[in-house]
Amino acid sequence: EAGVAQSPRYKIIEKRQSVAFWCNPISGHATLYWYQQILGQGPKLLIQFQNNGVVDDSQLPKDRFSAERLKGVDSTLKIQPAKLEDSAVYLCASSFGMGSTEAFFGQGTRLTVV
Amino acid sequence: SQKIEQNSEALNIQEGKTATLTCNYTNYSPAYLQWYRQDPGRGPVFLLLIRENEKEKRKERLKVTFDTTLKQSLFHITASQPADSATYLCALDGQAGTALIFGKGTTLSVSS
Repeated sequence: EAGVAQSPRYKIIEKRQSVAFWCNPISGHATLYWYQQILGQGPKLLIQFQNNGVVDDSQLPKDRFSAERLKGVDSTLKIQPAKLEDSAVYLCASSFGMGSTEAFFGQGTRLTVV
Repeated sequence: SQKIEQNSEALNIQEGKTATLTCNYTNYSPAYLQWYRQDPGRGPVFLLLIRENEKEKRKERLKVTFDTTLKQSLFHITASQPADSATYLCALDGQAGTALIFGKGTTLSVSS
């Protein structure tokens, strides 16, 4: 079974530039998550989708971050404009359903904002 | 709001010993709790899930306990090996069964 695919693996941008990350979840997984993991911290939820609808985006900085999940499969996360504090690993995860099911994570995209 | 604490940032033990990691939580009563392993440069990998009505769960050399009175979970690795060296994350279900909320993690180092 193929895992969660993310690209790119690494990205370096200057502050105020924009960047986009892509995620392809495991086939058949209805729930998709984007997490931000700052060095030395645990993953922090940014947004959760159920199919192509948003379940929770309460911690997404909506003035600069946006995310979409077209056709309930792939998802993109965008930052515009980026700030220095956005430097982190952005993890995409998927699960079969909501609630008590395990989440499968991709390798993440390491973003460095200079 | 919910708060999760993994008491030790780092734990160093010798090969063959039992590693015990602690996860405490406040302001919440989760229906279940999960443990993940994360290696450097990789995403977290699921290890075990325990529900609120379960006291203990085992999988090979791993054991998890869940004490809803103490609001604490303990994660044990018996007969630890250098290959067990990694960061271990505790995660609780969010409100209304939504996304997981993670602790900071404990980095375990097993020396031979």
